[in-house]
Amino acid sequence: QLQLQESSPGLVKPSETLSLTCTVSGGSISSSSFYWGWIRQPPGKGLEWIGTLYSSGGTDYNPSLKSRVTISVDRTKNQFSLKLNSVTAADTAVYSCARGLDSSSGYPAFDVWGQATMVTVSS
Amino acid sequence: ENVLTQSPGTLSLSPGERATLSCRASQSVASDYLAWYQQKPGQTPRLIIYGASGRATGTPDRFSGSGSGTDFTLTISRLEPEDFAVYYCQQYGGSPLTFGGGTKVEIK
Repeated sequence: QLQLQESSPGLVKPSETLSLTCTVSGGSISSSSFYWGWIRQPPGKGLEWIGTLYSSGGTDYNPSLKSRVTISVDRTKNQFSLKLNSVTAADTAVYSCARGLDSSSGYPAFDVWGQATMVTVSS
Repeated sequence: ENVLTQSPGTLSLSPGERATLSCRASQSVASDYLAWYQQKPGQTPRLIIYGASGRATGTPDRFSGSGSGTDFTLTISRLEPEDFAVYYCQQYGGSPLTFGGGTKVEIK
């Protein structure tokens, strides 16, 4: 059974870089049938898509975050990672990694989610 | 950006009643690439509907999705106690992927 597990940095200082890793178990991150994504949810608010990693290694980012976001993959460890730089209090949120279903649109719905991790930006 | 607006914000119903949730898009959703998620407190979202009307694995048949273009509906035919949660729609017909603001289905 596929499982995703986010690392948990917990607290990040303003202006620094938020780094999260998602470890995939029970399946290969290199499968061409799936995409991989990051989604966040500020406390008490709705869901915001951050970005998607494709099996080709290509990426797609939310324009609102694009200048600060990098998603990368480490196939040897079956992991993918999120880096968000120059964080502010507005980046405080619960961050989730998820598996995206391949669709003919080229964009995913997310069918398997990690447990999520709370990241607080504060000095 | 395709903005998704969900209504109502909160739906107060009793177990056994029918729930009808709306998701309206600011632009037509390509080929009905519209998904619905259920989220319970302290949990991550669970995909329940994709392609506007396809049930995800494990979704009970009391959940049904319908609609096309800019207007989509999630219907729960008879609410069970475990169905009280927040529901989000998401379009994946184009980038950026966007989510609606959610509808909370609460016990009346």
